[in-house]
Parts: sequence; structure tokens; C-alpha cells
Amino acid sequence: DARVTQTPRHKVTEMGQEVTMRCQPILGHNTVFWYRQTMMQGLELLAYFRNRAPLDDSGMPKDRFSAEMPDATLATLKIQPSEPRDSAVYFCASGAGDGRDQPQHFGDGTRLSIL
Amino acid sequence: AQSVTQLDSQVPVFEEAPVELRCNYSSSVSVYLFWYVQYPNQGLQLLLKYLSGSTLVKGINGFEAEFNKSQTSFHLRKPSVHISDTAEYFCAVSLYNQGGKLIFGQGTELSVKP
Repeated sequence: DARVTQTPRHKVTEMGQEVTMRCQPILGHNTVFWYRQTMMQGLELLAYFRNRAPLDDSGMPKDRFSAEMPDATLATLKIQPSEPRDSAVYFCASGAGDGRDQPQHFGDGTRLSIL
Repeated sequence: AQSVTQLDSQVPVFEEAPVELRCNYSSSVSVYLFWYVQYPNQGLQLLLKYLSGSTLVKGINGFEAEFNKSQTSFHLRKPSVHISDTAEYFCAVSLYNQGGKLIFGQGTELSVKP
């Protein structure tokens, strides 16, 4: 089965360091989503792209977070500088078509701990 | 504003018993409805979806859900649960006019006991 691949699976780093998370969407999927999951807030949509163009990044703290799609096979989410409150599991998901009636396929996430 | 409410944060149930996980949504526009399951240390997997047509939809692992437009509900059911169904379940809506953006409920933790 085709899968969304996220790297790294785990990341522990100190406050102030740059963190880069990567996502390889399913081949042929044209929509990529970034989510953050915490116990307190649940699942939050940070940003999403269609055909590599950003459609909505209103869920993302702009001063420290950035999301890009350098090409159709790679999406990145960067945090600089990182803070302890950024500790969470970050999920990437991909989907096909215009997304409305298509399920999203999730990766297994990057578990981020900022000390 | 659109929202999704999962009425139970935790549902404990014995093996082979039936279960219902409740989901209500609020939206002023048409929606598509989804249930996802999340096992520990994994991402979300699609259980089932309602797009149109028959209001009773069947999904994987013996789950089914019924869309009730008048009650704005999309409850998930299984007639007989297994230990392996222990997981977190998320209800989500995709708004017709927002290009695939999903709004998730807070999740229901289903715990199946022997």
C-alpha cells in the first residue's frame, strides 16, 4: 500500500534550535496538510498546499514556523527558533483531487520534544 | 463557525459488546463526513466516509455510521467489539466550500476490556 512517509520519527532538541520535519506524500496526491497533535489542543491544522501552492497557513505561528513544498515529492515544516511549547506530534497527510470528498492519508508523525 | 463535537472523551466497553461513539457537527454549508481511527504511535487511518446517498455507511473492521441531517449527527457503531478495536476515534467534517480542510472533533478513546 502507498504510504505517506515522515522523517524523522522522533526528534529531541534544545530550545532555540532549528527543527526541520519532512514529508513525502503519496505519489500522485496533489494536496498536503500539516497538523499538530497535543493532549490539550487535540489535532490542529497548521497549513496546507495544493499543487505545491500554499492555500492556508492561518493555523501556523508565522514568526517561527514555515512550511514549503520544494517539489511534488517533498513537503517541509520548519521551526526556528524552537520553544518548549512546540513539543507535540506533527502529522503530514496527503490527498487527491480538490480534497473536499477525498480522504486524507496520514503519515505516522514526528514526535518532537523541545527541552 | 463550524465545529465538531464528540460527546464522549472515553468509552470503556467489554469485548463482544456493542458500542456507539457519538459525533455532532455544526455547519452552515454542506459537509462531507469522516471517521478516522488512531492506534498508539501511529497516524490516523480512514474508517469510513459519508459523501452522499444512503445515510448508512459501512467501513472497515465492521464499523458503520449513520448520517442524520436533521440532528446534524454522524454516530459510529459496531455491533461487537474486539480488544484490537482499542484506539482513539476521530470524527471530522470537510466543508464543501473550503477545499478539503478537515475540522476534527476532540477524539473518543475506546477502551475494550476482556
